[in-house]
Amino acid sequence: AQKVTQAQTEISVVEKEDVTLDCVYETRDTTYYLFWYKQPPSGELVFLIRRNSFDEQNEISGRYSWNFQKSTSSFNFTITASQVVDSAVYFCALSEPGNNNDMRFGAGTRLTVKP
Amino acid sequence: GAGVSQSPSNKVTEKGKDVELRCDPISGHTALYWYRQSLGQGLEFLIYFQGNSAPDKSGLPSDRFSAERTGGSVSTLTIQRTQQEDSAVYLCASSPLRNTEAFFGQGTRLTVV
Repeated sequence: AQKVTQAQTEISVVEKEDVTLDCVYETRDTTYYLFWYKQPPSGELVFLIRRNSFDEQNEISGRYSWNFQKSTSSFNFTITASQVVDSAVYFCALSEPGNNNDMRFGAGTRLTVKP
Repeated sequence: GAGVSQSPSNKVTEKGKDVELRCDPISGHTALYWYRQSLGQGLEFLIYFQGNSAPDKSGLPSDRFSAERTGGSVSTLTIQRTQQEDSAVYLCASSPLRNTEAFFGQGTRLTVV
């Protein structure tokens, strides 16, 4: 069963636009962890954020912000004032202690930011 | 120290041959993951090692795939009798504790001809 759904396969925006990448997850655990990773054209995945299920506070880091809502099982990622360097594939992932702790990824969203 | 190191970076093999892919995790990291990424696709979970516990092999696509982790450090992913559909980038990641940030290697690009 799909644990993490990233419904947006590809998004294209123009520089300086804001963009939100959606992530919906499925779990029966009360304790779980959510992650976002960035995969730039170079290929190596880069960690962006980790959130545990007990912390629903939204987080902001520079132009990046994350909105975690347990009521809708979503952990969305917003880039404000996008830049060309933000072009990458972004992956959302879920780790469940009740499921061997392995980390399962969504299919990813390819973001293209045009100048 | 160094990050996660994978070797070889590229491997071309003939259909039917066996291949071994190596992953050197970050020293001290107890968790180690293998994923497969086909061209333009997401990350397909293969196997997960945590300390000395039995690995979670639930993602291995067939019995041609196996992996081991010796001494809680280096891991080897073996694919026997390779098929063309095995062509992909194989990614390894490690993390210091379960459920924490994973650090990824550059991957091994496997091409089966």
